[in-house]
Amino acid sequence: DAMVIQNPRYQVTQFGKPVTLSCSQTLNHNVMYWYQQKSSQAPKLLFHYYDKDFNNEADTPDNFQSRRPNTSFCFLDIRSPGLGDAAMYLCATSPLTGGWANVLTFGAGSRLTVL
Amino acid sequence: EDQVTQSPEALRLQEGESSSLNCSYTVSGLRGLFWYRQDPGKGPEFLFTLYSAGEEKEKERLKATLTKKESFLHITAPKPEDSATYLCAVQSTSGTYKYIFGTGTRLKVLA
Repeated sequence: DAMVIQNPRYQVTQFGKPVTLSCSQTLNHNVMYWYQQKSSQAPKLLFHYYDKDFNNEADTPDNFQSRRPNTSFCFLDIRSPGLGDAAMYLCATSPLTGGWANVLTFGAGSRLTVL
Repeated sequence: EDQVTQSPEALRLQEGESSSLNCSYTVSGLRGLFWYRQDPGKGPEFLFTLYSAGEEKEKERLKATLTKKESFLHITAPKPEDSATYLCAVQSTSGTYKYIFGTGTRLKVLA
């Protein structure tokens, strides 16, 4: 089945130790997103890509970086995780329909714990 | 400012007790409104898209409706397996790729 796969599902890191989360898709969607979701909160958009065009949200901390080396893969790098970065990180993809992003397909998420 | 508010925050129902979840929105122009279901520890799963006031969509025990200011997700005769968080997201005409999510309604259906 075509899908969005995130790895690892669970990541434990120490305060300040860099972390990379990965996302791969077999849907061939143009648009890929990274969301941060904390308990009982709405998903918060960190970045999105339209193909290789990168779009950073104005309030995304510099500590968060992203790479999309090809259509299928996208990475989220957290350079120096703080306790406040503990969250579920969701990758999502969307096709373009009539020039608009459409239904989001999410991965299962990567749960980050910072000790 | 574009905004989405969901109510109630949490809802407990007995099996078979029908109810509705609300999603109120304020956007400069509505491109689409999306409902997702999220199980604990998992990513959201798509349920419905609604594009214009008066539109309705149904799937099993769920029915989504849309007005110019809000959307309802009606749950008819729910079962315990309907327990989840239901998220509403709005896409405005001012942002091709962006969605504004609500905080969700946590639904618990008791057997």
